[in-house]
Amino acid sequence: DAGVIQSPRHEVTEMGQEVTLRCKPISGHNSLFWYRQTMMRGLELLIYFNNNVPIDDSGMPEDRFSAKMPNASFSTLKIQPSEPRDSAVYFCASRPGSTDTQYFGPGTRLTVL
Amino acid sequence: QKEVEQNSGPLSVPEGAIASLNCTYSDRVSQSFFWYRQYSGKSPELIMSIYSNGDKEDGRFTAQLNKASQYVSLLIRDSQPSDSATYLCAVKSQAGTALIFGKGTTLSVSS
Repeated sequence: DAGVIQSPRHEVTEMGQEVTLRCKPISGHNSLFWYRQTMMRGLELLIYFNNNVPIDDSGMPEDRFSAKMPNASFSTLKIQPSEPRDSAVYFCASRPGSTDTQYFGPGTRLTVL
Repeated sequence: QKEVEQNSGPLSVPEGAIASLNCTYSDRVSQSFFWYRQYSGKSPELIMSIYSNGDKEDGRFTAQLNKASQYVSLLIRDSQPSDSATYLCAVKSQAGTALIFGKGTTLSVSS
């Protein structure tokens, strides 16, 4: 079975541009998580969904960030407008309802110039 | 604020030695505890989970949990150069909530 799929794997953009990161969770998993990882702050939870509904978005840094999960097999994280401090690796993870184990995608490395 | 603390390292051990990685957490009602390994440039992968006080062994890895002291550890026996990575401790407090991660400990195993 395929793991969590993220696209793009690398994104380089200029400050002020809109960035959209995409995630396809593992089939059958009902929870989806967006994390951001930097050297300074480590792996931070941004938002998570349960059965496509946002449960906790307290980690979303500010209004420039938004996330959606229109169906069980797709989620997006959008940054508009992007800033250099948004440069990080963004991970998507999913979890089945039967366990606490989260499975991570390969990540998207975002660089904002 | 719920926190998970780890020594950032680097922890350096020779090949064949035991590596000991430690983690403390602030939320007393935490229920589930995990160790993830992350190679440079890769995503975190689960290596151990533990839910009850005591030890849990899986091959060369042993996770230890002490809820009274709010302390979790990971022992790696017969360390190999391929174990060189960053080890992330993660904690889940209540049913349905996400994992909170420590910043990780970097382990270097020299041959």
